[in-house]
Amino acid sequence: ILNVEQSPQSLHVQEGDSTNFTCSFPSSNFYALHWYRWETAKSPEALFVMTLNGDEKKKGRISATLNTKEGYSYLYIKGSQPEDSATYLCAFYNTNAGKSTFGDGTTLTVKP
Amino acid sequence: DAGITQSPRHKVTETGTPVTLRCHQTENHRYMYWYRQDPGHGLRLIHYSYGVKDTDKGEVSDGYSVSRSKTEDFLLTLESATSSQTSVYFCAISESLTYEQYFGPGTRLTVT
Repeated sequence: ILNVEQSPQSLHVQEGDSTNFTCSFPSSNFYALHWYRWETAKSPEALFVMTLNGDEKKKGRISATLNTKEGYSYLYIKGSQPEDSATYLCAFYNTNAGKSTFGDGTTLTVKP
Repeated sequence: DAGITQSPRHKVTETGTPVTLRCHQTENHRYMYWYRQDPGHGLRLIHYSYGVKDTDKGEVSDGYSVSRSKTEDFLLTLESATSSQTSVYFCAISESLTYEQYFGPGTRLTVT
């Protein structure tokens, strides 16, 4: 089983704060990394698919970067809003494992 | 939204009884997955399928079996339900192992 670590486990910020969190994964045999947003009582929804070292993706106020050589990805949220409150999951695909492995997620709470 | 439905959405059953959960898709995606969501563990893969009659185990497959007789349907069976199998079960689909996954609405299963 591949180890995918997300940190921090939870995060509480004030509305308007910018924040970021980390997904760490084994750097060997990397193929793809996905970020998902998971709101309470809903299903996870894909945010980004990242495949190349140095990839940067952006969707509105949310962006992500990827470093496959050192085995990490950062997710950034600029000017957090209460509607950004959710658990953010990363999923790592390694060519040896043959399937994706999910991290346990970072739960973000944005206070008005 | 991807066309994925799960049935039933809620079920309460007794220890020792068999239970079957159904995932149905209208997207004609090749890959289908069953996950369970547990506090502190995020999403854990139970089984997945890469085609009709082609399935493989995930990290928490003990006590579960699956079948896929048609592209659109993926069944998860708890052969003899135990209280440790109380969880929320999510089905997901994807076009490829490395593409993002689309999740169903979830099934809340309680084993008493």
